[in-house]
Amino acid sequence: DSGVTQTPKHLITATGQRVTLRCSPRSGDLSVYWYQQSLDQGLQFLIQYYNGEERAKGNILERFSAQQFPDLHSELNLSSLELGDSALYFCASSVGFGPTNEKLFFGSGTQLSVL
Amino acid sequence: GESVGLHLPTLSVQEGDNSIINCAYSNSASDYFIWYKQESGKGPQFIIDIRSNMDKRQGQRVTVLLNKTVKHLSLQIAATQPGDSAVYFCAEAPSGYNKLIFGAGTRLAVHP
Repeated sequence: DSGVTQTPKHLITATGQRVTLRCSPRSGDLSVYWYQQSLDQGLQFLIQYYNGEERAKGNILERFSAQQFPDLHSELNLSSLELGDSALYFCASSVGFGPTNEKLFFGSGTQLSVL
Repeated sequence: GESVGLHLPTLSVQEGDNSIINCAYSNSASDYFIWYKQESGKGPQFIIDIRSNMDKRQGQRVTVLLNKTVKHLSLQIAATQPGDSAVYFCAEAPSGYNKLIFGAGTRLAVHP
């Protein structure tokens, strides 16, 4: 158990809908990262928050947004969902700024299926 | 999180043999490299890391080798066990970019 908690584990929805994925980092970790894992793209970095502030941005679509709350949990919001958004979404956390000098601890992921 | 659907190269080894998983990284400015293991239904798990000022680093049953000249990283697993069966990802952290870039992954299948 990495200590990173993601909910829900599975999510099935329809095209055009909006969903929210939730992540609780390990106790004491200030950074939260979101990754997307799809069949043809591997693990793609979406966005990082550190202590409530956006720290780094990757290949995150404009239809997607995230935030980190004062209690350090994070939410990833996916809207106007398309079939191609079906993927595993992972949250990871680390103590500091990361990831260039520290380990990331990953949650078990949320499997999103858009039908 | 199920990763068995990923279309990945597969390395098949016999239990007890040594495994070598290779990775070519893309950015010559990367100065930190990590190997992650992803078992079926789980998220990636840290195995071992290495900085660019090193060529080799050893852990418990695992060794990471870094060849900066050809931008190549390898993970060696000694006495491979069935529990080592998983998808292995290398990741690089380019200097100056606060991002971890993952490789495509290699599936390791250990046969008894």
